[in-house]
Amino acid sequence: DSGVTQTPKHLITATGQRVTLRCSPRSGDLSVYWYQQSLDQGLQFLIQYYNGEERAKGNILERFSAQQFPDLHSELNLSSLELGDSALYFCASSAAGLAGGRSDTQYFGPGTRLTVL
Amino acid sequence: AQSVTQLDSHVSVSEGTPVLLRCNYSSSYSPSLFWYVQHPNKGLQLLLKYTSAATLVKGINGFEAEFKKSETSFHLTKPSAHMSDAAEYFCVVSDRTGTASKLTFGTGTRLQVTL
Repeated sequence: DSGVTQTPKHLITATGQRVTLRCSPRSGDLSVYWYQQSLDQGLQFLIQYYNGEERAKGNILERFSAQQFPDLHSELNLSSLELGDSALYFCASSAAGLAGGRSDTQYFGPGTRLTVL
Repeated sequence: AQSVTQLDSHVSVSEGTPVLLRCNYSSSYSPSLFWYVQHPNKGLQLLLKYTSAATLVKGINGFEAEFKKSETSFHLTKPSAHMSDAAEYFCVVSDRTGTASKLTFGTGTRLQVTL
């Protein structure tokens, strides 16, 4: 158990809909990351938040957005869903301080499997 | 941009024989490199991490990896495979500037262990 929790575990919805995925980081970790794993694209970094602020952005679609709340949990919002958005969405957390070493290590949650019909 | 290349998409070994999963990296500076494992329908678990402290890194479950700068490689090995090692393995490089960080994953190597 990594200490990172994600809800829900599974989500089935229809095209055009909007969903929210939730992530709680490990105790004490300030950074939260979102990744998408799909058969055709593999594992891709979407976005990072550090202590409530966006820090790094990857291949995240404009239809997707995220935020990190004062209690450090994060939500990934996916809107106008398309069939191609079906994937496993992972959240990870790390200490991510200014130095290297342990702060680089990201611990992953169990994922949310999104199916768009 | 940093990247990793996993040279084999699928590796099959017999139980009790050595495992070698190959990874090459591309980086303009000394990178942080990781191996993660993903068992079927499970999340990603950290196996080991290299951050320039020692070139031979020992991880969990008997796995280890050696960082070779001259070959730009970070291959994952295990002396004796176990059935429970069957999973997908990802070589990963970290790109970090201050508090901004992201991981770039290789395409994965599926390890099959047969009796």
